[in-house]
Amino acid sequence: GQQVMQIPQYQHVQEGEDFTTYCNSSTTLSNIQWYKQRPGGHPVFLIQLVKSGEVKKQKRLTFQFGEAKKNSSLHITATQTTDVGTYFCAGPRNNNDMRFGAGTRLTVKP
Amino acid sequence: DGGITQSPKYLFRKEGQNVTLSCEQNLNHDAMYWYRQDPGQGLRLIYYSQIVNDFQKGDIAEGYSVSREKKESFPLTVTSAQKNPTAFYLCASSGVQETQYFGPGTRLLVL
Repeated sequence: GQQVMQIPQYQHVQEGEDFTTYCNSSTTLSNIQWYKQRPGGHPVFLIQLVKSGEVKKQKRLTFQFGEAKKNSSLHITATQTTDVGTYFCAGPRNNNDMRFGAGTRLTVKP
Repeated sequence: DGGITQSPKYLFRKEGQNVTLSCEQNLNHDAMYWYRQDPGQGLRLIYYSQIVNDFQKGDIAEGYSVSREKKESFPLTVTSAQKNPTAFYLCASSGVQETQYFGPGTRLLVL
């Protein structure tokens, strides 16, 4: 079945450093979504990418969708302590449900 | 004030007991989902429903049951057959755009 893999599993950075998480699907995706879950909280939708090669920015966050629509990345420039949390990517499966990656847990040292 | 609500926030289950987790949404979404999250882990799909009176098993449905009698409600029952129920349970709903809106979650603990 479809697999969505995320790396790294954990990332610890010094405040001000950059951070990137990568998402890879075993199948072509019609779209990919990114979510953020703060410690103790629930996942919150960040963005959806639909087009091949698409790049979207939200302040210090840059999201990319690969040309083959099988991979994606989230890059955070100059991390802040408010960026702490787990970042998930998700892609739709054939049955119209979503397959979530295992997530990348980001910790930021002040 | 639109959104998804889950109750209770914390739930304790005794051995051999069935417990039901509530999930209600007023977003007028057709699709609803239940996920299980274990500490430090990702989201695993338990059940989902695309429309009232219809639901499908997810990846880890064994030991769980659901119903979808109303569009707004998608309760999850954790049965005694689920031998390791301690986890964080998240309910979500989605509309046409497929974006998932999550409730605040229920933490289930076994006594």
